[in-house]
Amino acid sequence: DAKTTQPPSMDCAEGRAANLPCNHSTISGNEYVYWYRQIHSQGPQYIIHGLKNNETNEMASLIITEDRKSSTLILPHATLRDTAVYYCIVSRMNFGNEKLTFGTGTRLTIIP
Amino acid sequence: GAVVSQHPSRVICKSGTSVKIECRSLDFQATTMFWYRQFPKKSLMLMATSNEGSKATYEQGVEKDKFLINHASLTLSTLTVTSAHPEDSSFYICSARDSGSSGKKTQYFGPGTRLLVL
Repeated sequence: DAKTTQPPSMDCAEGRAANLPCNHSTISGNEYVYWYRQIHSQGPQYIIHGLKNNETNEMASLIITEDRKSSTLILPHATLRDTAVYYCIVSRMNFGNEKLTFGTGTRLTIIP
Repeated sequence: GAVVSQHPSRVICKSGTSVKIECRSLDFQATTMFWYRQFPKKSLMLMATSNEGSKATYEQGVEKDKFLINHASLTLSTLTVTSAHPEDSSFYICSARDSGSSGKKTQYFGPGTRLLVL
């Protein structure tokens, strides 16, 4: 699986949009971009994933650049409960039993 | 939907004993489950891939005789830490891949099991 690069930490004011960047310059054509988050002492929570097109669900939006070398996860109105470590992962998980390889992620802190 | 449970959530055991951790997919079938461990302030490390009805595939450096995995049904995988030692103390997390045609074909994680070996 391709490696990803994320900033180690970010702060965001409560109520504002949180934009979390991820670089995946070596992503291959059949690899998806997945985002998970882990709140302290819990298992990771699936947020969203995409291949080429931008995606939106009830939790977040995922913006993938046209060359697919980077993406941004957007939490539109951050709350204190969004404080967590966010992991950007690229994987061919839609094919067979491909693994998820977790990097160090971005520790997002929502400031009251 | 897409709920994965783990039991127990926390366990304390004496050195030398064995501990079994269960991972269940509650509302979907999972032909494949994964076991991770996480040390404090570190990221998740994949230990093994558990396939229903066949042997697990272990990552490099993970002792298969120490971490026994059984995936006897489409909704249950178990991890047994045999002859546990204090260095096995960690946060163990399982995930299950939704193998159904209507599923998102992504992995859903359990809440984790915190193991402390005294």
